[in-house]
Amino acid sequence: AQSVAQPEDQVNVAEGNPLTVKCTYSVSGNPYLFWYVQYPNRGLQFLLKYITGDNLVKGSYGFEAEFNKSQTSFHLKKPSALVSDSALYFCAVRDPPSYSGAGSYQLTFGKGTKLSVIP
Amino acid sequence: EAQVTQNPRYLITVTGKKLTVTCSQNMNHEYMSWYRQDPGLGLRQIYYSMNVEVTDKGDVPEGYKVSRKEKRNFPLILESPSPNQTSLYFCASRITGRDSPLHFGNGTRLTVT
Repeated sequence: AQSVAQPEDQVNVAEGNPLTVKCTYSVSGNPYLFWYVQYPNRGLQFLLKYITGDNLVKGSYGFEAEFNKSQTSFHLKKPSALVSDSALYFCAVRDPPSYSGAGSYQLTFGKGTKLSVIP
Repeated sequence: EAQVTQNPRYLITVTGKKLTVTCSQNMNHEYMSWYRQDPGLGLRQIYYSMNVEVTDKGDVPEGYKVSRKEKRNFPLILESPSPNQTSLYFCASRITGRDSPLHFGNGTRLTVT
């Protein structure tokens, strides 16, 4: 079965500094990877995804993520953090086609990383 | 506006009193799903539905029921809630396809005393 690990429960970064939120995965076959963000009292919002192609994926709000197959990682990055980026971030991996019944393609989430951007 | 709507946002109930959390989406998505979010555990899938009248268990289905009689609605039913079902619940939907992202509702915070 596939799995996702987010090794840091919390990441603190000063406003204006670059930020990285880490994610590693385990899946059979080619991974489909996603990042979501959850602001207080809101549902999760899709940020970006990696399907295939360029290892650097760009997403919403200036975020990007780097796919590294050899390290099985998909770290989320942003060159300059904003206070408004403070939120809970979830990495997720989707079932490979051979694993899902009838193409259900379930999503497995990491436990989340709380990002605090300090003014 | 494209959205997933859950109701209610907050619910406090007592053990054993049946309740339903509604979920509706206006994007004509085939796939819908329920998750619960607990501190330190992330999101865990309860049930999902690939289309009308097609539902299946997720990772933590015990104590829950769902139905999908219409494409837009996917209610979550707790027939006899227990305190261990106190949690934050999210409904989500997407089009079919492995690369399609989920769209989430704003959540329902349930407390069972």
